[in-house]
Amino acid sequence: GAVVSQHPSRVICKSGTSVKIECRSLDFQATTMFWYRQFPKQSLMLMATSNEGSKATYEQGVEKDKFLINHASLTLSTLTVTSAHPEDSSFYICSASEGGPYNEQFFGPGTRLTVL
Amino acid sequence: AQSVTQLDSHVSVSEGTPVLLRCNYSSSYSPSLFWYVQHPNKGLQLLLKYTSAATLVKGINGFEAEFKKSETSFHLTKPSAHMSDAAEYFCVVRVNKLTFGGGTRVLVKP
Repeated sequence: GAVVSQHPSRVICKSGTSVKIECRSLDFQATTMFWYRQFPKQSLMLMATSNEGSKATYEQGVEKDKFLINHASLTLSTLTVTSAHPEDSSFYICSASEGGPYNEQFFGPGTRLTVL
Repeated sequence: AQSVTQLDSHVSVSEGTPVLLRCNYSSSYSPSLFWYVQHPNKGLQLLLKYTSAATLVKGINGFEAEFKKSETSFHLTKPSAHMSDAAEYFCVVRVNKLTFGGGTRVLVKP
């Protein structure tokens, strides 16, 4: 089946620094990628949707200047958390779909971000 | 607007006994409905999906779910639990984007 990877799986950073998380589709071309955030013992919340070569579409309440998303190729999307603060600590999950946003999404294993 | 409610945050079953995970949804339009499973350190995996065809949907690993429009429910069942079924399960509704329920953690006792 389709495989999506994320790197790193865990990252710890100091408050005020920026962190980049990579999401890769390993065996298919992801025309659309999604970024989710999962708080402890809670569900996944969609942060943004990105199409290759276009600007990401952010969900209401998600700061686009804080969570920078780049989808420069059909196999790679990155999420950069800028000027991270402890409240940004969370589990970030990406997913990817081939052929458009309404096709099946394949999920990455997630990245645990801890901001000290 | 769309929403999903998973009625149990935790379910504990004995190996070999049936599993029932309850899900109710709300949607202004005819939705697509999904169940995903999340094992530790692994990506969410699609168990099954309903997209307006047969109301009884069979998925992987012996799971199935029944779409009941009158009850706005999409409960997930498995006749006999296996130790490997221990995981977090999410009921998901999609109109224009995926909306996740709160999740149900399944514990399987030997």
